[in-house]
Amino acid sequence: GQSLEQPSEVTAVEGAIVQINCTYQTSGFYGLSWYQQHDGGAPTFLSYNALDGLEETGRFSSFLSRSDSYGYLLLQELQMKDSASYFCAVEGGGFKTIFGAGTRLFVKA
Amino acid sequence: GAGVSQSPSNKVTEKGKDVELRCDPISGHTALYWYRQSLGQGLEFLIYFQGNSAPDKSGLPSDRFSAERTGGSVSTLTIQRTQQEDSAVYLCASSFSVSGLAKNIQYFGAGTRLSVL
Repeated sequence: GQSLEQPSEVTAVEGAIVQINCTYQTSGFYGLSWYQQHDGGAPTFLSYNALDGLEETGRFSSFLSRSDSYGYLLLQELQMKDSASYFCAVEGGGFKTIFGAGTRLFVKA
Repeated sequence: GAGVSQSPSNKVTEKGKDVELRCDPISGHTALYWYRQSLGQGLEFLIYFQGNSAPDKSGLPSDRFSAERTGGSVSTLTIQRTQQEDSAVYLCASSFSVSGLAKNIQYFGAGTRLSVL
């Protein structure tokens, strides 16, 4: 079957750095995306990796290792507004996008 | 429009009734996706459209679910004979490019919260 595994919850303090891991098992792979969703809101795109390595976008970075079927999202200089759910997603075969169950990030003062 | 628009934002219905959910994608986006999200859960893929055709319908939970897209724009998701387990938020997303060589950024609507009593 196809699945993505990510931690259900992560807690960190304001100003800290947090890493959210994602491992995947899919029948096809084009790339790994990350989305942020605040409570009651719509998911919004954060980052995308198609090739191995690190992609940096401001305070957010994302990493991919295709050989390990593994990626992570790194959030630096955490702010209270970063409290949200974070989803990794794989675009696999047949244009189907498979999402993980999400990691709920709690940022404490 | 400026973003993906979904209607209604909330729908309460009785078990056994049919419901129709509407999605108006971003103008020019050829790809359109429907997802279902239960409370505190991830996004469950339902169906994908490229233009008006749906290459992959395997995510639809049962034959009570159907979707269509006309004119390469508006899409409707229909649930017949609704059941309580259909209660969830139904999200629609659209994108400009299809997956493969370029990142496929999906832009989501605010969703329709369906409650089946």
